[in-house]
Amino acid sequence: GAVVSQHPSWVICKSGTSVKIECRSLDFQATTMFWYRQFPKQSLMLMATSNEGSKATYEQGVEKDKFLINHASLTLSTLTVTSAHPEDSSFYICSARPGGENSPLHFGNGTRLTVT
Amino acid sequence: GQNIDQPTEMTATEGAIVQINCTYQTSGFNGLFWYQQHAGEAPTFLSYNVLDGLEEKGRFSSFLSRSKGYSYLLLKELQMKDSASYLCAVLDSNYQLIWGAGTKLIIKP
Repeated sequence: GAVVSQHPSWVICKSGTSVKIECRSLDFQATTMFWYRQFPKQSLMLMATSNEGSKATYEQGVEKDKFLINHASLTLSTLTVTSAHPEDSSFYICSARPGGENSPLHFGNGTRLTVT
Repeated sequence: GQNIDQPTEMTATEGAIVQINCTYQTSGFNGLFWYQQHAGEAPTFLSYNVLDGLEEKGRFSSFLSRSKGYSYLLLKELQMKDSASYLCAVLDSNYQLIWGAGTKLIIKP
């Protein structure tokens, strides 16, 4: 089955530093990847749609200068949380569709970010 | 606006059957997904319905009624490992996924 790999699984960083999260599609090409954020006991919130070779599309209320997305190849998208603050602590999950627009999303294992 | 409703929490007994309901109001419809999410983990795909009726997959079945804007996930022969959150998500006319808040299912021995 389609596999999406996300790294790191967890990271602890100090306030003011930046953190990069990688998302790879291991056995399929993904022109589009989706970055989600999930706070405890809440549902998934789409942050942005990453597009290979072009700019990401950000959801309303998500700061594009704070959450930098790069989709340089058909199998890799990265999310960089810049100048992290404690309120950025959350569970970040990437996903991609190996098939068409109505095919299921496959998720990476998520990254637990804790900013101290 | 677009909205998906599902119960916040349900409790069931090991070996029993439980039905998790999902109702939706969206701009168009291109299918409904059910995902399972264990605590601290990413969601995993369970089922996809785009036509009315029941789709059975082992112990899990999913039903859809487009005219009623309604779906349910049926879990049979419950096992302790089925304790998780179950997320309902609808693909709207723009192929955007609209997510429900999830139903936390607690299985008791």
